[in-house]
Amino acid sequence: GIQVEQSPPDLILQEGANSTLRCNFSDSVNNLQWFHQNPWGQLINLFYIPSGTKQNGRLSATTVATERYSLLYISSSQTTDSGVYFCAVPTYSWSGTYKYIFGTGTRLKVLA
Amino acid sequence: DAGVIQSPRHEVTEMGQEVTLRCKPISGHDYLFWYRQTMMRGLELLIYFNNNVPIDDSGMPEDRFSAKMPNASFSTLKIQPSEPRDSAVYFCASSLQGGTGHGYTFGSGTRLTVV
Repeated sequence: GIQVEQSPPDLILQEGANSTLRCNFSDSVNNLQWFHQNPWGQLINLFYIPSGTKQNGRLSATTVATERYSLLYISSSQTTDSGVYFCAVPTYSWSGTYKYIFGTGTRLKVLA
Repeated sequence: DAGVIQSPRHEVTEMGQEVTLRCKPISGHDYLFWYRQTMMRGLELLIYFNNNVPIDDSGMPEDRFSAKMPNASFSTLKIQPSEPRDSAVYFCASSLQGGTGHGYTFGSGTRLTVV
């Protein structure tokens, strides 16, 4: 089945710094999601991004499907950005139904 | 929209007891997924439904786990009997238009502790 790898596994930043998180996947995909799990455990959908680039405030994401990777950019990081960032890609059954496979995540800690 | 609603938020139970977790998906979503999250194993897909029909339950750890979706607005995950190793956060997620839809929306999760 499809493999999803994220890097780095852990990241510590000083508030105000920028960072790039990477998601590699082993097979072609037609969509991809980025999630943020905050310190309270909530999983928040950040981006649905099958290809191209999207921006939402200080966060942006780029997926290059032909090269099987996606990047999540965090600019001017804030302590509220702390948590775990997951990417997820779908895998399809013979009947056409699908399920998402999650990467192992990048754990981010932003220091004040 | 109220989002995906899970109950209870926290559950503490004794080993051997039956536990039932509940999920109400977003209205109109045709997929529902149950995940379990632990430090050791990360996010594991247990089972998912499409139009109330179970599609893939290969992630259900053993016969002690069962899930139902009697209608489009309600699903349950049951553990009977519960064991300490079942302690985890259980998430429910729903989505629309499988495959080309707008992705998952997760509930807030149920934190289960089995003592």
